[in-house]
Amino acid sequence: GESVGLHLPTLSVQEGDNSIINCAYSNSASDYFIWYKQESGKGPQFIIDIRSNMDKRQGQRVTVLLNKTVKHLSLQIAATQPGDSAVYFCAESESQGGSEKLVFGKGMKLTVNP
Amino acid sequence: DTGVSQNPRHKITKRGQNVTFRCDPISEHNRLYWYRQTLGQGPEFLTYFQNEAQLEKSRLLSDRFSAERPKGSFSTLEIQRTEQGDSAMYLCASRKAELITDTQYFGPGTRLTVL
Repeated sequence: GESVGLHLPTLSVQEGDNSIINCAYSNSASDYFIWYKQESGKGPQFIIDIRSNMDKRQGQRVTVLLNKTVKHLSLQIAATQPGDSAVYFCAESESQGGSEKLVFGKGMKLTVNP
Repeated sequence: DTGVSQNPRHKITKRGQNVTFRCDPISEHNRLYWYRQTLGQGPEFLTYFQNEAQLEKSRLLSDRFSAERPKGSFSTLEIQRTEQGDSAMYLCASRKAELITDTQYFGPGTRLTVL
């Protein structure tokens, strides 16, 4: 099948390690941020989101950190598993600004080695 | 499976032909979005609907593209006189506006190849 991860930056980790995927966003007016996971041939799958009034949010094995000062977002995955191998995208939106569109970052391909 | 379905999953067509894709959102989701994704890139916003009203269109949506959501449930995206540059994955997403979350849930996409 086609490769979503073609020509994307790649992060390779060992199973069980922690992974950190970074994202720089561009719009200082963005107030809502989402991380999506996309496997080859599938649509993006929601992982975790965060609003701009927070700087950290935790889910199951995942944590999102938001630094509005430098417009940086990160996704931390604890105890990475082979099933976490995919392309990860951050997305931003101005949820209060009248535009509904999500603006996606470039994406990072995560490869988990057993 | 998010509950958003898209058909067909794959479409191969010749340049100049018209194609139509369908999206069925999650039941009771009043907002529906179309995105386009090319290989190695993130999805790019095309347009969105609240119920049957088309409220925002990207400049990416040329006059060869038209989207409808006639009854506020399923939506169709039509591309007329397809060009090779239209080859991409067309993604649909939906959400319920009244929920506090702004999360958009994506379908599996329709992969279009224009020969």
